Amino acid sequence: KQEVTQIPAALSVPEGENLVLNCSFTDSAIYNLQWFRQDPGKGLTSLLLIQSSQREQTSGRLNASLDKSSGRSTLYIAASQPGDSATYLCAVESGGSYIPTFGRGTSLIVHP
Amino acid sequence: KAGVTQTPRYLIKTRGQQVTLSCSPISGHRSVSWYQQTPGQGLQFLFEYFSETQRNKGNFPGRFSGRQFSNSRSEMNVSTLELGDSALYLCASNPTGSSETQYFGPGTRLLVL
Repeated sequence: KQEVTQIPAALSVPEGENLVLNCSFTDSAIYNLQWFRQDPGKGLTSLLLIQSSQREQTSGRLNASLDKSSGRSTLYIAASQPGDSATYLCAVESGGSYIPTFGRGTSLIVHP
Repeated sequence: KAGVTQTPRYLIKTRGQQVTLSCSPISGHRSVSWYQQTPGQGLQFLFEYFSETQRNKGNFPGRFSGRQFSNSRSEMNVSTLELGDSALYLCASNPTGSSETQYFGPGTRLLVL
């Protein structure tokens, strides 16, 4: 059974810092890994999708990497801004049926 | 294109009642998935529908059911509500359901008293 862990659970940083969020998974036989952002009480917004054959994806100030062999992914946020404050979740699709398993998320606060 | 819409946005029910939630996917998307999000368990997969057929199912009791219509709109139903069913219910759509970006709706917040 796939298990997804996100570290740290919470993070508070001053504006302008570069930061790294971590996601680890137990079964490396994945189809893809996706990073989402969730604002309080709202749905999820997809940030980046990395297919199993890819090593990284970039979108603006965001860069996500994937290392299947070690069961890890990192989300790098450059020059953080208060608007980046949200919960960041990673999800892994695996197991032959594309059922996603989500981590518990990292709650990020970027203060001015 | 309009995003994924869910109705109602908020709902209060009492134990033992049943509830039906609705999800309209992005136009052209044929796969609709449902999720339950609670503080205790996090985000958990309920089921996925594709072309009116349930294709995948998570580990939830039979009180949770769903269906999909020919226009890809989907409903989920929870019968005999329990206090523990209080949660944010999210639906997501994508074109084919296979290893593609998921687009989520805003969710329906259900409170069971």
